[in-house]
Amino acid sequence: QQQVKQSPQSLIVQKGGISIINCAYENTAFDYFPWYQQFPGKGPALLIAIRPDVSEKKEGRFTISFNKSAKQFSLHIMDSQPGDSATYFCAANSGAGSYQLTFGKGTKLSVIP
Amino acid sequence: EAGVAQSPRYKIIEKRQSVAFWCNPISGHATLYWYQQILGQGPKLLIQFQNNGVVDDSQLPKDRFSAERLKGVDSTLKIQPAKLEDSAVYLCASSQMGRIQETQYFGPGTRLLVL
Repeated sequence: QQQVKQSPQSLIVQKGGISIINCAYENTAFDYFPWYQQFPGKGPALLIAIRPDVSEKKEGRFTISFNKSAKQFSLHIMDSQPGDSATYFCAANSGAGSYQLTFGKGTKLSVIP
Repeated sequence: EAGVAQSPRYKIIEKRQSVAFWCNPISGHATLYWYQQILGQGPKLLIQFQNNGVVDDSQLPKDRFSAERLKGVDSTLKIQPAKLEDSAVYLCASSQMGRIQETQYFGPGTRLLVL
């Protein structure tokens, strides 16, 4: 019940295309959903986040879509660039009264020229 | 502002040996987290500190792992004795107060290989 399921495991997108990564969860107590970006040899860095009372959040080329009834959320990267090639993790706040993140297994995105 | 610092960056040990990792969080951050990231998986929380107190260590294998955060600033994570399955990247993260919607800032991690 504490899991966050992420798909696909890997994704190859042409430059300029749209990258879409999906996540699903079971625990309705999750109340905050960030996405992290990780480059090789680096720690994860916050990319964008959403609360469950919002259906969509956009920051530049990055958009989170959130479907509370389906318990699903997704990351869309518009106009994907080679510099976006990284591993992306969805996460959810799983702490009851505190802030603790449960992460998905990650999606390795490769944007080819 | 300086980021989260971790050392060493890499460590290779044999099974049954002991190892320690060090983390210095962003200045002023009260909350510190240690995560374990096994190859091909997302980070898994091991322990959360608020200042120098433990908030949650329910996923820390306490028979071999220990962590402390003396004086509420930097922290050490120790494994004794190490097992092959402990091979992973150990990430330290910090946030300002540990409140929901705060950004957790991650360090570069310590990559541990147990032979």
